[in-house]
Amino acid sequence: DQQVKQNSPSLSVQEGRISILNCDYTNSMFDYFLWYKKYPAEGPTFLISISSIKDKNEDGRFTVFLNKSAKHLSLHIVPSQPGDSAVYFCAALITGNQFYFGTGTSLTVIP
Amino acid sequence: KAGVTQTPRYLIKTRGQQVTLSCSPISGHRSVSWYQQTPGQGLQFLFEYFSETQRNKGNFPGRFSGRQFSNSRSEMNVSTLELGDSALYLCASSGRTGGYSPLHFGNGTRLTVT
Repeated sequence: DQQVKQNSPSLSVQEGRISILNCDYTNSMFDYFLWYKKYPAEGPTFLISISSIKDKNEDGRFTVFLNKSAKHLSLHIVPSQPGDSAVYFCAALITGNQFYFGTGTSLTVIP
Repeated sequence: KAGVTQTPRYLIKTRGQQVTLSCSPISGHRSVSWYQQTPGQGLQFLFEYFSETQRNKGNFPGRFSGRQFSNSRSEMNVSTLELGDSALYLCASSGRTGGYSPLHFGNGTRLTVT
């Protein structure tokens, strides 16, 4: 039962433009959401998070948006850079329980 | 501060054998979780340990087991290996004791079963 879904396996964006990565979830009990970035042969690296009491969190070029009514999470990267090319995973947590991860979206930023 | 360390980085085993993977968490982190990553499946949760006790468990067969030591280091064991166990196994530690704290991952152990 995939409670966190990333329906786009891949995304290509021109350098300097905005990258938007999407994530949907099914469990309304999730209270903490995160994005991770993964390069080949490395473990995922924490990028940004948001708690369910907020609808937006920003950190430099990265902004995460949470739409609880739609059970939808998105990550915006502005401007996109070639070094952002990686696989991005969204994750969700019910406090005290396990983290649930999506299947990942492979982002390619074209110079 | 040293990150999460996993050993070995690569393993090749034969079907039917067993394997033990090791993980050293970030200093001060008491929660250690294990994940299996396969192509198209994302990160599948195996189990989480906190203060030497298994706190959460995913939907994997009993062939997959783990333990945590008093220094928070953790090991994962897979017995009677199957071809389908070939995957990247990731360990993550967290300072989470009840609030919000992200997982910090190691670089994983790539297991190949032939």
